[in-house]
Amino acid sequence: EAAVTQSPRSKVAVTGGKVTLSCHQTNNHDYMYWYRQDTGHGLRLIHYSYVADSTEKGDIPDGYKASRPSQENFSLILELASLSQTAVYFCASSDLTLYEQYFGPGTRLTVL
Amino acid sequence: GDSVTQTEGQVALSEEDFLTIHCNYSASGYPTLFWYVQYPGEGPQLLFRASRDKEKGSSRGFEATYDKGTTSFHLRKASVQESDSAVYYCALIITGNTGKLIFGLGTTLQVQP
Repeated sequence: EAAVTQSPRSKVAVTGGKVTLSCHQTNNHDYMYWYRQDTGHGLRLIHYSYVADSTEKGDIPDGYKASRPSQENFSLILELASLSQTAVYFCASSDLTLYEQYFGPGTRLTVL
Repeated sequence: GDSVTQTEGQVALSEEDFLTIHCNYSASGYPTLFWYVQYPGEGPQLLFRASRDKEKGSSRGFEATYDKGTTSFHLRKASVQESDSAVYYCALIITGNTGKLIFGLGTTLQVQP
């Protein structure tokens, strides 16, 4: 049974539109993360959260917002999607006891 | 700042070949080191971790030894299989940090039958 799920798995959006990517975890972990993956850049951290109702900026937060309404759910929001945000997005969770992160299957976002 | 460098961007081998993927790190504190593997269409999954100098991590025939002296954590496997074809990421986390993983750029391994 998958412990970190993401929806949608794939999305096509128009430039300037709003996009929301959702993540749900059943690991009972406090920490959740959003990464983007691009060829040549590997995985880069966008936002993370260590408690519900609080989010922190990662290494590349510009153009993205995050929301953590509960321990289990973490959303990534693109208010005005741009071509440069075409990428694969991964959500992950961890408990910091072992510092191991568990990743979801990813969302492939294409902005046209 | 803290960083991870993977020397090889792509590695092409035949089945039963020996694999080495080089990973070097730079960290201000005492990091925990990881190897993650990502298969096509999936998210990265933890292969193994090591938290202290000279500790060996291993899983599925892969292994790496934490070397604080050379700041390295090279991934090795004695005999690769076609099913090992994937992208491999070396990563570090600073103990006591906010859980931020720092990844290398990844190494794509292609194993021919």
